[in-house]
Amino acid sequence: EVQLLESGGGLKHPGGSLRLSCAASGFTFSGYAMSWVRQAPGKGLEWVSGISGDAGNTYYADSVKGRFTISRDNSKNMLYLQINSLRAEDTALFFCAKDRQYSIGCHTMWGQGTMVTVSS
Amino acid sequence: DIQMTQSPSSLSASVGDRVTITCQASQDIHNYLNWYQQKPGKAPRLLIYDVFNLETGVPSRFSGSGSGTDFTFTISSLQPEDIATYYCQQSGHLPFTFGPGTKVDLK
Repeated sequence: EVQLLESGGGLKHPGGSLRLSCAASGFTFSGYAMSWVRQAPGKGLEWVSGISGDAGNTYYADSVKGRFTISRDNSKNMLYLQINSLRAEDTALFFCAKDRQYSIGCHTMWGQGTMVTVSS
Repeated sequence: DIQMTQSPSSLSASVGDRVTITCQASQDIHNYLNWYQQKPGKAPRLLIYDVFNLETGVPSRFSGSGSGTDFTFTISSLQPEDIATYYCQQSGHLPFTFGPGTKVDLK
C-alpha cells in the first residue's frame, strides 16, 4: 500500500525557517517524481515544487522560487521541503504527492498534509 | 503562467442528477488536464488524468472530455459520496496550476 506521511509543520515567526519531511512507502520511491502542493486555510490548491525521481531536476512556482528548496533522499525514501524567509502568506497545509510515472505534475497519491502557520 | 478557470464555482444537485463542470485554460495545455476530488478535511484524490483517463478504482460515473483549452468533467449520476470540491489542473506547462474549484453539494 502506498503511504505518504508528512511532518515538520508548526507555528513559526515571519522570517523563520523550517524543513518539511515526507516519508514514503509501498512503492519504488526513486522511480517517481514527487511534488509539494499547499492549501491555505479555506482556499484552493497551489502546486509549489516538484523533483524528478533521480533528483536531477527541480521545479518551483514563481511565488516560492529562491525561498523554497526541494530535495529527496532515495536511500531513505524521504522527500523534503526547506522553507526559508517565512511569510504570513505561507500559512497553509502542505501536502506531499507522488506523481504519475513519466508525468511530473499529475499527482496520483497524496499524504494527509502538515500544517504550517506563520504568525508573530 | 497558465490560468485555469472553472465554472460554476458551486452547484447544488439531487442524487441521480447529471453534473457537469467546465474548465478553461488560458492557453493550449496539450491535453495535460487532470481532475481531483477533495472532501472536507481530506487530501485531494486524483480522479481523471490526461483529459479522459480514469484513475484506477474510480467509479465509471466520472468522466472527462475536451481538448486544447476547453474541458468538461461529468458525474453521470450524482451519489451522496460525491459531495466534495472538484479541481481541474494543468500539468503540461510549468508551473502547474489548478483551477479555483467547484463545490458540489446536495439540493
